[in-house]
Amino acid sequence: QVKLLQSGAALVKPGASVKMSCKASGYTFTDYWVSWVKQSHGKSLEWIGEIYPNSGATNFNEKFKGKATLTVDKSTSTAYMELSRLTSEDSAIYYCTRSAAPYWYFDFWGPGTMVTVSS
Amino acid sequence: DIQMTQSPASLSASLEEIVTITCQASQDIGNWLAWYQQKPGKSPQLLIYGATSLADGVPSRFSGSRSGTQYSLKISRLQVEDIGIYYCQQASSAPTFGGGTKLELK
Repeated sequence: QVKLLQSGAALVKPGASVKMSCKASGYTFTDYWVSWVKQSHGKSLEWIGEIYPNSGATNFNEKFKGKATLTVDKSTSTAYMELSRLTSEDSAIYYCTRSAAPYWYFDFWGPGTMVTVSS
Repeated sequence: DIQMTQSPASLSASLEEIVTITCQASQDIGNWLAWYQQKPGKSPQLLIYGATSLADGVPSRFSGSRSGTQYSLKISRLQVEDIGIYYCQQASSAPTFGGGTKLELK
């Protein structure tokens, strides 16, 4: 069965960076896009961007360009997102999810990684 | 960006009642619309895609429809396990989500 296993919660200081992971199993990792979605506490969902593991191609929400960096390790079927220059506005739960090109329908989601930015 | 406006923001309904949630797109998105359910402390789950197609494993009491740029999610007979927050999402361009509808039991 399809699973997306995400790394654990992180507490980071303002100005620092954080890198989180999303390990996929149960499907061919290189056949689907991996997207990242932000959910601030009690709020709606924001699409950050996506990466296609087969080629490394990425697309971003303009708002997150320069904030998020997406990479993959095909050998371990793992996607990564690094967030830089963190502020309190980056405190949120971050989900990885997959979609089948060319459709932006997210059929499986990871459990989320909670990031707290605090000094 | 395409804006998705959901209504109502919250809704209280009784078991077995018919529930309808709507989502208005700021421009034409065709049938590129999905609905998700999020239960407390859980990840969102895909319910509907292509505005009207039921995702795998989703009960048939859920249905989606479209009228122009307005989209609706209908739960034909509300069950206790349907409680949660519902989001629409446009898939026509860089994805954007509605603000959510919190569904509670009356």
